[in-house]
Amino acid sequence: AQSVAQPEDQVNVAEGNPLTVKCTYSVSGNPYLFWYVQYPNRGLQFLLKYITGDNLVKGSYGFEAEFNKSQTSFHLKKPSALVSDSALYFCAVRAPGDYKLSFGAGTTVTVRA
Amino acid sequence: NAGVTQTPKFRILKIGQSMTLQCTQDMNHNYMYWYRQDPGMGLKLIYYSVGAGITDKGEVPNGYNVSRSTTEDFPLRLELAAPSQTSVYFCASASIGAAHRSGNTIYFGEGSWLTVV
Repeated sequence: AQSVAQPEDQVNVAEGNPLTVKCTYSVSGNPYLFWYVQYPNRGLQFLLKYITGDNLVKGSYGFEAEFNKSQTSFHLKKPSALVSDSALYFCAVRAPGDYKLSFGAGTTVTVRA
Repeated sequence: NAGVTQTPKFRILKIGQSMTLQCTQDMNHNYMYWYRQDPGMGLKLIYYSVGAGITDKGEVPNGYNVSRSTTEDFPLRLELAAPSQTSVYFCASASIGAAHRSGNTIYFGEGSWLTVV
């Protein structure tokens, strides 16, 4: 069975500071890893994914994530957070050959001006 | 650039009523999904479909039914609505498998907020 853990329910940072949202996963085989963002009353928007290749993945809105196989982690990062980055962030994993994503519980990010 | 389209956006149902959440995608994706989102619980898979005419249960299928008569459409039916079905519902689609090249990303609709009272 595959699973995702987002250990922090909330992350609070000041605008301009680095932002990190943590994610660890459990899956058989090499994982497909994803980050999504959800703004209030909206659907999930795809940010970035790791399928294979370079461990550092760059995505939308200046976000990036680093795949660390030994630590089974896929933390989301942004060097300089914006107030507009305040949202709910979901990490998700899919095993190769599987059909569905398994999601973490989500992390609420608040960026204060 | 429609992507995945869900209707209605908001709905209030009385206990015991039935309704259908509509979902259509214009990306020719083979896989389609219905998830529900409850606060602090992430997203749970209700049903999924690997192509027209083929559907299967996910993690939380009780109280729901689906059909997939075309590649584009994947409606979710709620029979005898219960307060436990108060949730936000998301339809999603993806191209998955050797014959599809879109890279495995699952794309979501904007959601349907359902309240059962």
